Amino acid sequence: EAGVAQSPRYKIIEKRQSVAFWCNPISGHATLYWYQQILGQGPKLLIQFQNNGVVDDSQLPKDRFSAERLKGVDSTLKIQPAKLEDSAVYLCASSLYWSGNYNEQFFGPGTRLTVL
Amino acid sequence: KQEVTQIPAALSVPEGENLVLNCSFTDSAIYNLQWFRQDPGKGLTSLLLIQSSQREQTSGRLNASLDKSSGRSTLYIAASQPGDSATYLCAVSSNDYKLSFGAGTTVTVRA
Repeated sequence: EAGVAQSPRYKIIEKRQSVAFWCNPISGHATLYWYQQILGQGPKLLIQFQNNGVVDDSQLPKDRFSAERLKGVDSTLKIQPAKLEDSAVYLCASSLYWSGNYNEQFFGPGTRLTVL
Repeated sequence: KQEVTQIPAALSVPEGENLVLNCSFTDSAIYNLQWFRQDPGKGLTSLLLIQSSQREQTSGRLNASLDKSSGRSTLYIAASQPGDSATYLCAVSSNDYKLSFGAGTTVTVRA
């Protein structure tokens, strides 16, 4: 069974530029998560989708971050404009469902973003 | 709000020694607890998941215990090997099913 795929693996941009990350979850997983992991910290949830609807985006900086999950499969996370403090690893995860016995999350390899 | 703490932040042991990693959480009303491994520059690999009704889970050389009432979990790795060098993260799923992560313990196993 293929795991969660993410691209690109690495990205270096200058502040005020825009960047987009892509995630393809495990086939059949209805729930998709985007996390931000700053160096030395644990991942922090940015947004959670159930199929193509948003379940929780309370910690997403909506003035610069946006995310979508068209057709309930792939997802993209965009930052525009980027700030220095956005330098982090962006992790995508998926689970069969968001609650109950099916909420075990499986993570992709992440995208390391460096903002100069 | 659930707070998850992992102590120590870093640990260095000689090969063959047993590893003991600690995780504590502030709200005992949890659904489950997961231990993850993260290699440098990589994503998270799930090691063990303990449901709130369970006391422990085992997989090979790994054993994780859960004491929900005291808000603690411990990950034991027996007979450590250099390949066990990584960062180990504890994550708690509260009753809203969202994961709260600790900052991790970075382990170095010296050959």
